[in-house]
Amino acid sequence: SQTIHQWPATLVQPVGSPLSLECTVEGTSNPNLYWYRQAAGRGLQLLFYSVGIGQISSEVPQNLSASRPQDRQFILSSKKLLLSDSGFYLCAWESQWGVAETQYFGPGTRLLVL
Amino acid sequence: AQSVSQHNHHVILSEAASLELGCNYSYGGTVNLFWYVQYPGQHLQLLLKYFSGDPLVKGIKGFEAEFIKSKFSFNLRKPSVQWSDTAEYFCAVKGSQGNLIFGKGTKLSVKP
Repeated sequence: SQTIHQWPATLVQPVGSPLSLECTVEGTSNPNLYWYRQAAGRGLQLLFYSVGIGQISSEVPQNLSASRPQDRQFILSSKKLLLSDSGFYLCAWESQWGVAETQYFGPGTRLLVL
Repeated sequence: AQSVSQHNHHVILSEAASLELGCNYSYGGTVNLFWYVQYPGQHLQLLLKYFSGDPLVKGIKGFEAEFIKSKFSFNLRKPSVQWSDTAEYFCAVKGSQGNLIFGKGTKLSVKP
């Protein structure tokens, strides 16, 4: 069966520090991968998605970036964190075989920027 | 732009009460609709989904949702809630890029 992992689970970082959040998927190949952010009272917002290694699409301009160095690894990064980057970051995967697919979410990373 | 509206921010019910959570979407194409649930301290997980066919969709734990195309709605229902249904519920529609567009969520608190 497929599983999705995220780490770390929680993170407290000072403003201006770098960030690296990791997401890995097991049990599937060539998944579509997504990064979402859940801010308080604002629902889930798509940040990035990827349909393959090295292929990243950004939905929201910001100081975050994403990379997909391996088929089942998706990384969210920042060179300098802002207070507004605080939130709950969720990674999701879905099968590549068409739009009528379900997305499955990881446990999330709670980020607090101070 | 595609969007999803959930009418209630916080719903408080007593056990055995009936539940209906509203969801409206704006999207002109073929819709794929989802309800996800996030129990306290747990992953976001799929409750039910609609892709095509019967507009009345049954999900896990006794939940169901009805797709009404003319009203652009996909309301979630359960005839009798339990304390264990306390969670946050999110409605979502598949966007043109394949991403999910979520509503802001509805927190459900069930009093024992």
